[in-house]
Amino acid sequence: GDSVTQMEGPVTLSEEAFLTINCTYTATGYPSLFWYVQYPGEGLQLLLKATKADDKGSNKGFEATYRKETTSFHLEKGSVQVSDSAVYFCALRGQAGTALIFGKGTTLSVSS
Amino acid sequence: GAVVSQHPSRVICKSGTSVKIECRSLDFQATTMFWYRQFPKQSLMLMATSNEGSKATYEQGVEKDKFLINHASLTLSTLTVTSAHPEDSSFYICSARDKGASVDTQYFGPGTRLTVL
Repeated sequence: GDSVTQMEGPVTLSEEAFLTINCTYTATGYPSLFWYVQYPGEGLQLLLKATKADDKGSNKGFEATYRKETTSFHLEKGSVQVSDSAVYFCALRGQAGTALIFGKGTTLSVSS
Repeated sequence: GAVVSQHPSRVICKSGTSVKIECRSLDFQATTMFWYRQFPKQSLMLMATSNEGSKATYEQGVEKDKFLINHASLTLSTLTVTSAHPEDSSFYICSARDKGASVDTQYFGPGTRLTVL
C-alpha cells in the first residue's frame, strides 16, 4: 500500500541555518503530496502542497518540489528562525477525498 | 483559517470505563471527518472515516465495536473508546474536510491525550 518515509529527528539547527527534511513516498498512480506542521500545543496545519510532478509548493519561506522520478518531496528553507521549531509531517493522498497517509514526523528545534 | 476543536484535550480514566472524544468544526460544515491515532514517535494512523449521516468506515485492524464513531451533524463527530484498557492509551486526532472547499482541504484538531490506568 501507499506509504511515506521521512528522516528521523530531532533536527537541531542554529537560527539562519539551511534546513532540509527528506521525504520519500511509495504510491500507485499520481498522489498529491503535503507538508504539515504542528506547533507545540496546536493541531496540524497545512504548510504546503503539490498535486502533480514537478510542482513546487511554497509557503512562509519553505518549499518542496514533487519529484516523481525519485518519488521525493523534500522540505527546504534557506534560513530558519526560532519560530520554525515544530514537528513537520510529510503526507500523501492517493485519491481525492480520501484520508492522508503520514510519515512519522520530524521534530525541528531552532536555537538563537 | 478554519478551526477544528477537540474535547477533552486530555483525559485519564480507569480500565474498563468508556471515554467519549468530541471533534467539532467551528466555522465550516464537514461532511467527512477522519479519526487518527498517534503513538509516540510514530506517524498518524488512520482509524476510520466518518461521513455525516452514515456509518463510519473503519481501517483494517480497528475494532468498530471498541471505537464507536458517530457523525450526527455537519459540525460534530464523536469517538467513544469503550471498555478502555491501558493499550488504548494514545493521542487521538481528528480532521475535518470542508464541505464548501476543494477536496484537498482538511483541517486538524489539536488532539486528545488518553491515558488509561
